Amino acid sequence: KNEVEQSPQNLTAQEGEFITINCSYSVGISALHWLQQHPGGGIVSLFMLSSGKKKHGRLIATINIQEKHSSLHITASHPRDSAVYICAVSSNYKLTFGKGTLLTVNP
Amino acid sequence: DVKVTQSSRYLVKRTGEKVFLECVQDMDHENMFWYRQDPGLGLRLIYFSYDVKMKEKGDIPEGYSVSREKKERFSLILESASTNQTSMYLCASSLGYFRGSYGYTFGSGTRLTVV
Repeated sequence: KNEVEQSPQNLTAQEGEFITINCSYSVGISALHWLQQHPGGGIVSLFMLSSGKKKHGRLIATINIQEKHSSLHITASHPRDSAVYICAVSSNYKLTFGKGTLLTVNP
Repeated sequence: DVKVTQSSRYLVKRTGEKVFLECVQDMDHENMFWYRQDPGLGLRLIYFSYDVKMKEKGDIPEGYSVSREKKERFSLILESASTNQTSMYLCASSLGYFRGSYGYTFGSGTRLTVV
């Protein structure tokens, strides 16, 4: 069993829809990270969370430490949001990654 | 703007060649990492370094070595490239002494093809 599980693996939405990507983890962590990777591109760090909720523009990330669960929400989705979203947890030096969620937003 | 720069975006090498992948960061970060990313397997840690001349093996170090002679530069070396090392290679850096509670900055990746 992977230490970091993401769902769904693939997600297709229409422009304007509200999107949720989930992440569950089974290990103790220092922080949880949400990362974005566009096709053929490098990785951009969206959020780093150790508790509560963070918001940046149309993106919101929440974490429930007791339940070992995090969600990434995108409000008013846009085709430029199409990318792979990766959840990762950090413990000491090490990042452990989920397999990613491929999001496609159609116009 | 802070940056992690990988020297090549695309690289094609022959089997048996010695390959150097370079990564430079301008953030005075202590920690630097090399990952490879493969479809269905996600990102896996090859090596990391927490200080100059210090290195630790990650999850898949076989067939690779690293060098960190200066704080800002972390090199990944494929001693004798093989086709199963065809992959996307990503460098990352972070602040902190053995602590993962600081943000990570990733490079743009090097897509290596070994033929």
